[in-house]
Amino acid sequence: EAQVTQNPRYLITVTGKKLTVTCSQNMNHEYMSWYRQDPGLGLRQIYYSMNVEVTDKGDVPEGYKVSRKEKRNFPLILESPSPNQTSLYFCASSFAAGAYEQYFGPGTRLTVT
Amino acid sequence: GENVEQHPSTLSVQEGDSAVIKCTYSDSASNYFPWYKQELGKGPQLIIDIRSNVGEKKDQRIAVTLNKTAKHFSLHITETQPEDSAVYFCAASMDGTDKLIFGTGTRLQVFP
Repeated sequence: EAQVTQNPRYLITVTGKKLTVTCSQNMNHEYMSWYRQDPGLGLRQIYYSMNVEVTDKGDVPEGYKVSRKEKRNFPLILESPSPNQTSLYFCASSFAAGAYEQYFGPGTRLTVT
Repeated sequence: GENVEQHPSTLSVQEGDSAVIKCTYSDSASNYFPWYKQELGKGPQLIIDIRSNVGEKKDQRIAVTLNKTAKHFSLHITETQPEDSAVYFCAASMDGTDKLIFGTGTRLQVFP
């Protein structure tokens, strides 16, 4: 089954404790992206990757890191989480950037206290 | 850069009625306009999309219309059913770019 998986689905952590949210896709997609969803703000892009070893900032990259060492995986790293990073996070992948369908993972709800 | 505005933020309709969600975009070069549906506890899923060389596209009870001159596009759902209750996002992009810009979402509630 074609899918995007994320782990964990729920995470409660404390300020400053480094965490990683994993994302994996099995569709051999070139493009992967991370979004955060906040009430009233819709989906805002954090980082994206056009291909292996190619990553770039989205609209809200501050406080986040990503890596793309393999085509299927695109982890999101919060080196020192803060309460304003409490949000619902989605990973997505697509055949290519721009005008193609994006396939979303199920989401990771992060709470930073 | 591109900016997408979406209205209304919430919409309540009676089962069987129609629902319309509207979006406007700022960049006249945008040429791809998808709509995503997000059910509770799930990620968004594409339900229909339209490209700028087409004015309207229909798929069973859902349709999307595009007015390039006014730079707006709309989602129309006819004969709404309770399972249509979800958050809907519009988005805009263009060939050759690396971003899909989303609207702020519309929460649709369909009451039996």
